[in-house]
Amino acid sequence: KAGVTQTPRYLIKTRGQQVTLSCSPISGHRSVSWYQQTPGQGLQFLFEYFSETQRNKGNFPGRFSGRQFSNSRSEMNVSTLELGDSALYLCASSLTGNSDTQYFGPGTRLTVL
Amino acid sequence: DQQVKQNSPSLSVQEGRISILNCDYTNSMFDYFLWYKKYPAEGPTFLISISSIKDKNEDGRFTVFLNKSAKHLSLHIVPSQPGDSAVYFCAASDSGGSQGNLIFGKGTKLSVKP
Repeated sequence: KAGVTQTPRYLIKTRGQQVTLSCSPISGHRSVSWYQQTPGQGLQFLFEYFSETQRNKGNFPGRFSGRQFSNSRSEMNVSTLELGDSALYLCASSLTGNSDTQYFGPGTRLTVL
Repeated sequence: DQQVKQNSPSLSVQEGRISILNCDYTNSMFDYFLWYKKYPAEGPTFLISISSIKDKNEDGRFTVFLNKSAKHLSLHIVPSQPGDSAVYFCAASDSGGSQGNLIFGKGTKLSVKP
């Protein structure tokens, strides 16, 4: 079974631009969660999608948004990029999102200049 | 306020010996706990999990112990190998309100010396 895939793996953007990251979950998994990892804050939850609906949301500004498609693939968008948005963005999938194991993709390394 | 704490940022162990990584939590609603291993520039890799109805789960060289009364869990790696060198994250969830949201500790960097 293929694992979670994320594209692109690396991105360089400048302040003020917007970016879209993509995540394909493990086949059969309906829950997709997004996390931001930075050296200072560790892994922080952004949001979770299940059956094309955002079901849970972390404490991030509205510049961070996402969506999920009918095939469970998910995209995350960050608008008006700031230097502090530089991070590793991780996507994880699970069967239901309710206390079951999440499997992570390799992440997208975003650098904002 | 951190709900999941890994108080040791780093741990160094000799190859062949036991590695013990510790994790404390504050939320008594957590009912599922996981350990992940992470190499630089990669996503976390799932290692082992434990449900709150158990106190021990074993998978090969990895064993997780859960002490609910102390709100403490630990990961034992026996014997430790140089390839185990990585950052280990403890994570927790509750089936009630944290859908899709694993709460992570800050991680412990394990170095296994040959």
